[in-house]
Amino acid sequence: DAMVIQNPRYQVTQFGKPVTLSCSQTLNHNVMYWYQQKSSQAPKLLFHYYDKDFNNEADTPDNFQSRRPNTSFCFLDIRSPGLGDAAMYLCATSRVKADPNQPQHFGDGTRLSIL
Amino acid sequence: GQSLEQPSEVTAVEGAIVQINCTYQTSGFYGLSWYQQHDGGAPTFLSYNGLDGLEETGRFSSFLSRSDSYGYLLLQELQMKDSASYFCAVNTNAGKSTFGDGTTLTVKP
Repeated sequence: DAMVIQNPRYQVTQFGKPVTLSCSQTLNHNVMYWYQQKSSQAPKLLFHYYDKDFNNEADTPDNFQSRRPNTSFCFLDIRSPGLGDAAMYLCATSRVKADPNQPQHFGDGTRLSIL
Repeated sequence: GQSLEQPSEVTAVEGAIVQINCTYQTSGFYGLSWYQQHDGGAPTFLSYNGLDGLEETGRFSSFLSRSDSYGYLLLQELQMKDSASYFCAVNTNAGKSTFGDGTTLTVKP
């Protein structure tokens, strides 16, 4: 089945130690999104790529960066994780930007814990 | 910016009908989407309204009134497996979605 796959499902890192979360998709979608979701809260958009065009949300901390080396893969890098960065990180894709008729397809998420 | 309001919790019994409301304030409004998320799982797309009126998909329906900045998700013939969080999300012409804080639906026997 065509899917959005996030690895790993659970990630533990130490305070201040860089960590990378990965997302791959077999849907061949143009747009990939990264969201942060804390317990009982809404998914909060961090950034998105339209093809190779990177779009950062204004309130995304500088600590968070992303790479999209090709259509299929997207990475979320957290340079110096703090305790407040513990959350579920969701990757999503959609076929075409600015066509809201296209739903977003989410991966199962990576739950990040900070020790 | 965007803001959305939806109830934090709703409880209903199996077989009943429940309506989850969503009001929003946004610029560049394009449409309203609804997603379901089970505990520990990914959000899954349920429904989208770009125009005023009712969209029906099986047991789920969604409604939009653009003039009132209001929409709702209607769940009929509730089943235990419908217990989940339901998010409304505003789609804007910038190609992004902003999610509400979610409504936790508990279905009781």
